[in-house]
Amino acid sequence: EVQMLESGGDLVQPGGSLRLSCAASDFSLTNYPMSWVRQAPGKGLEWVSGISTSGRTTYYADSVKGRFTISRDTSANTLYLQMDSLTAEDTAIYYCAKRTTGHGGQGTLVTVSS
Amino acid sequence: DIVMTQTPLSLPVTLGQPASISCRSSESLVHSDGNTYLSWLQQRPGQPPRLLIYMISNRFSGAPVRFSGSGAGTDFTLKISSVEAEDVGVYYCMQGTQFPQTFGQGTKVEIK
Repeated sequence: EVQMLESGGDLVQPGGSLRLSCAASDFSLTNYPMSWVRQAPGKGLEWVSGISTSGRTTYYADSVKGRFTISRDTSANTLYLQMDSLTAEDTAIYYCAKRTTGHGGQGTLVTVSS
Repeated sequence: DIVMTQTPLSLPVTLGQPASISCRSSESLVHSDGNTYLSWLQQRPGQPPRLLIYMISNRFSGAPVRFSGSGAGTDFTLKISSVEAEDVGVYYCMQGTQFPQTFGQGTKVEIK
């Protein structure tokens, strides 16, 4: 069964960094464009970042551009999101998902607070 | 960016009755590969989003048969043939045709 398992979420202070991981099983990340999507408490779904099938092109929402970096390790079949200069507005559950279908994992919680 | 607009945003329904949610995109969702990457996601209270329908009308694994999707181009519909109590939650349409992936505002389905 196609699955994605996110990890790496934590409580971090403003200005801090985190790296999220998304381990994919039963499909190859090299066959799909992938996204990170987040949901702040009580809010809707917000796309954060994406990576093309080839891995050569990356995309970012304006709200995270210059602070977040998406990448992947094809040998580990794992997607990453490096998050720097975090602010309270980044507090959310973060999901990885296939761009074309929206099928994603259970999410990992990032809380930015002092 | 493609804007996804859902109506209604709130949908009180009666158990056993049908329900329908509309979604309109600001531009065509037909990809250069000929597919239309329009999905419907269900989010029950306290749960992560769950894929119900992909590519307009394909039910994802585990999605009940009472859910169906239709539409083309820029106008799409999710229908529930007979609402059950477990269908309470928020439903999102989503386009996956291009980056940035975008979502509708969500439609909250509740039982009358």
